[in-house]
Amino acid sequence: KQEVTQIPAALSVPEGENLVLNCSFTDSAIYNLQWFRQDPGKGLTSLLLIQSSQREQTSGRLNASLDKSSGRSTLYIAASQPGDSATYLCAVRDTGRRALTFGSGTRLQVQP
Amino acid sequence: DGGITQSPKYLFRKEGQNVTLSCEQNLNHDAMYWYRQDPGQGLRLIYYSQIVNDFQKGDIAEGYSVSREKKESFPLTVTSAQKNPTAFYLCASSPDRVDYGYTFGSGTRLTVV
Repeated sequence: KQEVTQIPAALSVPEGENLVLNCSFTDSAIYNLQWFRQDPGKGLTSLLLIQSSQREQTSGRLNASLDKSSGRSTLYIAASQPGDSATYLCAVRDTGRRALTFGSGTRLQVQP
Repeated sequence: DGGITQSPKYLFRKEGQNVTLSCEQNLNHDAMYWYRQDPGQGLRLIYYSQIVNDFQKGDIAEGYSVSREKKESFPLTVTSAQKNPTAFYLCASSPDRVDYGYTFGSGTRLTVV
């Protein structure tokens, strides 16, 4: 059964720092991995979708990498801003079932 | 604008009651999903449906039921058999292609009173 782990569980950084969020998964037989952002009490907003054949995807200040063989993904946020404060969730879609399996998230706080 | 609409935003349930959460999408997506989120935890799959009139149990289906009579609608009923229903419920949809991502609704917060 697929398991997804996110480290750290919480992170606090000063504004302007570059930071890395980590996601690991136990079964490398995946179709893709998706990073989401969740603000308190809100739904999930998709940030990046990276296919199993890809190594990375970029959107603005965000860059997600994927190493399928080692079961790892990172989300890099450049020049962090207070508006980036949220919980970041990664989820994998593996070949064993059709639905996403989620990690528990990293709660990010960017201090002004 | 295309998207997923969940209603109500807040719902209160008395002990022994069944309640139904609504999820409607106008994205023309084939597949729809229900997830449950508890504080500080990731999302857990309750049910999913890939086509109309068909659905499968997820990891925590006990105490829940669903229907899929129309492509755009996937309501979730929380029955009295669900002993700990207080949680945040999220509905999602996707095209029935494995290389596409998910779109989520804004959620329903259910509280037992």
